[in-house]
Amino acid sequence: TQLLEQSPQFLSIQEGENLTVYCNSSSVFSSLQWYRQEPGEGPVLLVTVVTGGEVKKLKRLTFQFGDARKDSSLHITAAQPGDTGLYLCAGAPWDSGYALNFGKGTSLLVT
Amino acid sequence: GAVVSQHPSWVICKSGTSVKIECRSLDFQATTMFWYRQFPKQSLMLMATSNEGSKATYEQGVEKDKFLINHASLTLSTLTVTSAHPEDSSFYICSARPKSSYEQYFGPGTRLTVT
Repeated sequence: TQLLEQSPQFLSIQEGENLTVYCNSSSVFSSLQWYRQEPGEGPVLLVTVVTGGEVKKLKRLTFQFGDARKDSSLHITAAQPGDTGLYLCAGAPWDSGYALNFGKGTSLLVT
Repeated sequence: GAVVSQHPSWVICKSGTSVKIECRSLDFQATTMFWYRQFPKQSLMLMATSNEGSKATYEQGVEKDKFLINHASLTLSTLTVTSAHPEDSSFYICSARPKSSYEQYFGPGTRLTVT
């Protein structure tokens, strides 16, 4: 069962454009993490959001956690080729302990 | 901080042999370690969760006798793929969770090719 629905699955944009990736669920999460993965490497943690309504910024990346703790978004401003990669959202449902459920990922290509 | 290593980074083995992959947390103690499998252009699929000193918990559909997991210390977990077959070829990634944290830190992955 895919708890986290991530969209879009693929995104190809030009340098300088803005984009938003969405991560949605019908389940409530104690926290959500966003990772970026490059080919042949392990995912790298970008941010963890814990509080409903929380907004975190990491340079040109803005992460938001929904008020109900069921969804999250990642917004990239003025994308650069170095932002290319697979973006994964992952969350630990309230009753699952610490095991993370991963979305299917968004493959971003910036040219 | 929060560095996780995996060894080997890639391995080629013959069908029927066993392969062991090590996962180490280098600068923190990992209460829990996780093993994932990833197919090309797909997301991570959780295989099992292991807590130090106890038996691993396997996800549905993952054969525990084929994928042996040992979590002998707070910094080391191993995954042994027994009697490997070509369909076991994949990218295996481990992650480690510090105590009282929801965050997981991932290793660089191991590319297994079974011929």
